[in-house]
Amino acid sequence: AQSVTQLDSQVPVFEEAPVELRCNYSSSVSVYLFWYVQYPNQGLQLLLKYLSGSTLVKGINGFEAEFNKSQTSFHLRKPSVHISDTAEYFCAVRKVGGAQKLVFGQGTRLTINP
Amino acid sequence: GAVVSQHPSWVICKSGTSVKIECRSLDFQATTMFWYRQFPKQSLMLMATSNEGSKATYEQGVEKDKFLINHASLTLSTLTVTSAHPEDSSFYICSASAGDSPLHFGNGTRLTVT
Repeated sequence: AQSVTQLDSQVPVFEEAPVELRCNYSSSVSVYLFWYVQYPNQGLQLLLKYLSGSTLVKGINGFEAEFNKSQTSFHLRKPSVHISDTAEYFCAVRKVGGAQKLVFGQGTRLTINP
Repeated sequence: GAVVSQHPSWVICKSGTSVKIECRSLDFQATTMFWYRQFPKQSLMLMATSNEGSKATYEQGVEKDKFLINHASLTLSTLTVTSAHPEDSSFYICSASAGDSPLHFGNGTRLTVT
């Protein structure tokens, strides 16, 4: 089975500051990794994903994440945040070759302060 | 891009009544649809996986007689919460995929049972 741990439930950041949202996972098999963003009362929007290849992946809205297999981490970063980035962020994994069943982390509430 | 429409976006019902939530893939044929439940400030928990034309596969602990899932066509899956109780109040989100293509999420349904 897979599990995902997002170490920070809330991250407050000032506008234009950099941010890192941490994600660690556990799995006995190879996995794909994802970051999703959820705005209030909405579904999830894919920010980025790691399937294979380069461990640094770039996504939408200026976000990027780096897959670190030895540390089983997939931290999300943005060099300069905006007020509009305020949202809930979820890290998720699924088994390589398996069904598209995602296992989500607990979520991190990113709050951008002016 | 691919769009998944979920309806209604919010619903209030009385205890003991049943509520149906629809999930439609608007511009692709969804061979598989997933239903998630999200409690306030918590992560998404997979309830069930439905494949077109076959019975849904429920996750452990999810009552299949209470949460009826129908996936009668390649563009529509429904979740019916039968004999709803206040503890069923939650945010329900569907996602859909065609084969191994990326998942697309609906905008969710806020169910409040009074």
